[in-house]
Amino acid sequence: QVTLRESGPALVKPTQTLTLTCTFSGFSLTTRGMCVTWVRQPPGKALEWLALINWDDDKYYSPSLKARLIISKDSSRQEVVLTMTNVDPVDTGTYFCARIATPEDDLNYYYYPMDVWGQGTTVTVSS
Amino acid sequence: QSVLTQPPSVSGAPGQRVTISCSGNSSNIGAGYDVHWFQQLPGTAPKLLIYGDTNRPSGVPDRFSGSKSGTSASLAITGLQADDEADYYCQSYDRNLIVWAFGGGTKLTVL
Repeated sequence: QVTLRESGPALVKPTQTLTLTCTFSGFSLTTRGMCVTWVRQPPGKALEWLALINWDDDKYYSPSLKARLIISKDSSRQEVVLTMTNVDPVDTGTYFCARIATPEDDLNYYYYPMDVWGQGTTVTVSS
Repeated sequence: QSVLTQPPSVSGAPGQRVTISCSGNSSNIGAGYDVHWFQQLPGTAPKLLIYGDTNRPSGVPDRFSGSKSGTSASLAITGLQADDEADYYCQSYDRNLIVWAFGGGTKLTVL
């Protein structure tokens, strides 16, 4: 069974650095075709894609947030970490991680869905 | 401003059929990238509803169906039920922006 779980601080102050961890099980990020992505949702607003990392350590970032985000993986610990610097109250919201899995004979992960999601972790940015 | 455009809301009576549109352009849906649909019940994580334009994951009722034509896609829900009331999001890849793009979401109200 594939599961993902997000963790991190519930409250951070403006200008601080936010570090979120996605701990997963049921798959390995060393397997070709596996990716983990982060998506956030401000209160009452739409989903927003943030970043993706794949089995080969390729990394992709939302252009609007690229300067503030770092995504990394620790395959041995089954974790993906998202770091966001210089947070602002507009960064308040629920942060989700999700898996994208492709067959090993088709590594075009751009075409494949976020098939399993974590339950999300809520972050408030406030002084 | 979302890369993919959805109507903010749709509504229908129990038993009726509703459709939710998702409009893109030649760098995402029109470029052939698959469209996926997610259902988000209040206070929960998104759940994959339709993948690869038209496919339903195991466990999703056949009341839900997806289609795609040109630069747009649609989600149809037949036999509306009260527990279909949720937010629905389309998602596709945009090769120019290099983003996994979401629509702005559509709130479905069952009257």
